[in-house]
Amino acid sequence: GAGVSQSPSNKVTEKGKDVELRCDPISGHTALYWYRQSLGQGLEFLIYFQGNSAPDKSGLPSDRFSAERTGGSVSTLTIQRTQQEDSAVYLCASSPEGGNTEAFFGQGTRLTVV
Amino acid sequence: AQSVTQLGSHVSVSEGALVLLRCNYSSSVPPYLFWYVQYPNQGLQLLLKYTSAATLVKGINGFEAEFKKSETSFHLTKPSAHMSDAAEYFCAVLRGGYNKLIFGAGTRLAVHP
Repeated sequence: GAGVSQSPSNKVTEKGKDVELRCDPISGHTALYWYRQSLGQGLEFLIYFQGNSAPDKSGLPSDRFSAERTGGSVSTLTIQRTQQEDSAVYLCASSPEGGNTEAFFGQGTRLTVV
Repeated sequence: AQSVTQLGSHVSVSEGALVLLRCNYSSSVPPYLFWYVQYPNQGLQLLLKYTSAATLVKGINGFEAEFKKSETSFHLTKPSAHMSDAAEYFCAVLRGGYNKLIFGAGTRLAVHP
């Protein structure tokens, strides 16, 4: 079916507000990743979900960041009390099994905190 | 812990010239290695991957990369650059049995006439 879908594509929010970013992975993909892409910084790993296993949250930069994946499908990344340094493109990817299988990326959500 | 270093944040070549984008990895066990490309205003797509089969890996759009364990390198090459190759290229490493894909900082390739 369709590729990885992320929404919204762009989000402008005021400092201190909470935001939710959504990722719809490719149907049947058990692995889901969130990354953050800042200008000149490459891709920063945030969190990884694999099936029913406990997620790898080791990349979340602070406790203001959280993510969940409901029913093994849709994932939501939540940033509470946003700060200007949170401004970046947030990328979601999914893969059939994780591991050495190809990860398919969405177009990303560009978050701007003003 | 595994990591990836991409030498050169910006590379500029003439159309028709050789493209060489450098990637060095660090991993305590044999890794899986990937090159992704991001065209302007688009998401990332896989160019090629190394998964311990052949050390020379061929990918899409005429790109290839060679895994050299002795040099801990996985450099990306293309014999003749096209204008359409202008993009950002990311090298990534994934340690076998561990599912966190770690990316380098990226190299922006410019191709001029």
